[in-house]
Amino acid sequence: EVQLVESGGGLVQPEGSLRLSCAASGFTFSGSWMSWVRQAPGKGLEWVANIKEDGGEKYYLDSVKGRFTISRDNAKNSLYLQMNSLRAEDTAVYYCAREKGYCSGGSCYFYFDFWGQGTLVTVSS
Amino acid sequence: DIQMTQSPSSLSASVGDRVTITCRASQSISSYLNWYQQKPGKAPNLLIYGASTLQSGVPSRFSGSGSGTDFTLTISSLQPEDFASYYCQQSYITPRTFGQGTKVEIK
Repeated sequence: EVQLVESGGGLVQPEGSLRLSCAASGFTFSGSWMSWVRQAPGKGLEWVANIKEDGGEKYYLDSVKGRFTISRDNAKNSLYLQMNSLRAEDTAVYYCAREKGYCSGGSCYFYFDFWGQGTLVTVSS
Repeated sequence: DIQMTQSPSSLSASVGDRVTITCRASQSISSYLNWYQQKPGKAPNLLIYGASTLQSGVPSRFSGSGSGTDFTLTISSLQPEDFASYYCQQSYITPRTFGQGTKVEIK
């Protein structure tokens, strides 16, 4: 059974830092792209960052570039999100998600097929 | 970035109704379109990928269609467990972007 379990959320002051973790099990973690997706209270979903299987490629939402860093430890089956210089607008539930690719007819379709339960980050003084 | 626009933002329907949700992309995304269902306090759940392929385990009353810029999610006969929010998402390019969501409520 695939499981993604986030941890590390909490209350932090503006300009503070927080490190989120996501422990993966039940699938070949080292063979999967992984993403962080967030959802502000009462709002929609917003992709934050993703990382290639080997950690060699990383992509970010413009508003978090230079402040957030995504990383992974394949030996520990773990995904991380280091969040610095936090702002009130970063307040959200943060989900880790596996991004699976399915290739057919020369096209590869990517989708988030497994999600964690989320961890709440609140940025407030 | 590709903007995804869903309509309507919310709708009221009865059990047994046929429900259609529309998603429009700001540029062509071929068939790189996914649909998710989210219930309050829960993580999203993948329904459809590649615009029309049903994810394993998802009931066949859900279907997706479209390509290019215009897509639809259809629930052929709404069931009590389908009252939730629905999101489209493009995987054509990074950043991945989602629609703003459609909340399906009980009439």
